[in-house]
Amino acid sequence: NAGVMQNPRHLVRRRGQEARLRCSPMKGHSHVYWYRQLPEEGLKFMVYLQKENIIDESGMPKERFSAEFPKEGPSILRIQQVVRGDSAAYFCASSRDTGELFFGEGSRLTVL
Amino acid sequence: GENVEQHPSTLSVQEGDSAVIKCTYSDSASNYFPWYKQELGKRPQLIIDIRSNVGEKKDQRIAVTLNKTAKHFSLHITETQPEDSAVYFCAATPSGIKAAGNKLTFGGGTRVLVKP
Repeated sequence: NAGVMQNPRHLVRRRGQEARLRCSPMKGHSHVYWYRQLPEEGLKFMVYLQKENIIDESGMPKERFSAEFPKEGPSILRIQQVVRGDSAAYFCASSRDTGELFFGEGSRLTVL
Repeated sequence: GENVEQHPSTLSVQEGDSAVIKCTYSDSASNYFPWYKQELGKRPQLIIDIRSNVGEKKDQRIAVTLNKTAKHFSLHITETQPEDSAVYFCAATPSGIKAAGNKLTFGGGTRVLVKP
């Protein structure tokens, strides 16, 4: 049973470009969470999704950031017009209803 | 929403000594408290968790205690080894509330260094 799969593992973008980060949850998991981790800091909640629904996006910046979890395919975190402050590790996690959160290896975004 | 505070931010111990990390939370509805270990450049991994119907849980050299009245919980690592060096995160959530799923609020992390 493969774990939570994230890609790309590393992504470099120039300011103003778009970044797309993908996450495939563990088999049997229908809950997906995205967290952002700045260097030397903790994990900050961004968004919680179930299939085709955003349940809680209270941690998402109001502009440039969006997330989806379509019926088919991975969850996608999209950052438009990236700025240097978006440089961080973005972790996806998945769970069953109320069980343990399993994290992926993260996608490390560097904005030049 | 929930707010989790974690102390200390860094902890240096001699191999074989004990390490204690403390967390406080604000939401009295929180009832699930996991601890994650994150090694450099790696993903966070669950090491132990506790639910609010128990006050203490132990797994080999790791133990967690919970005081619901005071809203604080602690991680205890005994007989520390160099491979225990990592960043440790506490978290809290009102698990079981449908709208919350299992959304975790994390503490700021504790960097533990075990010196040989």
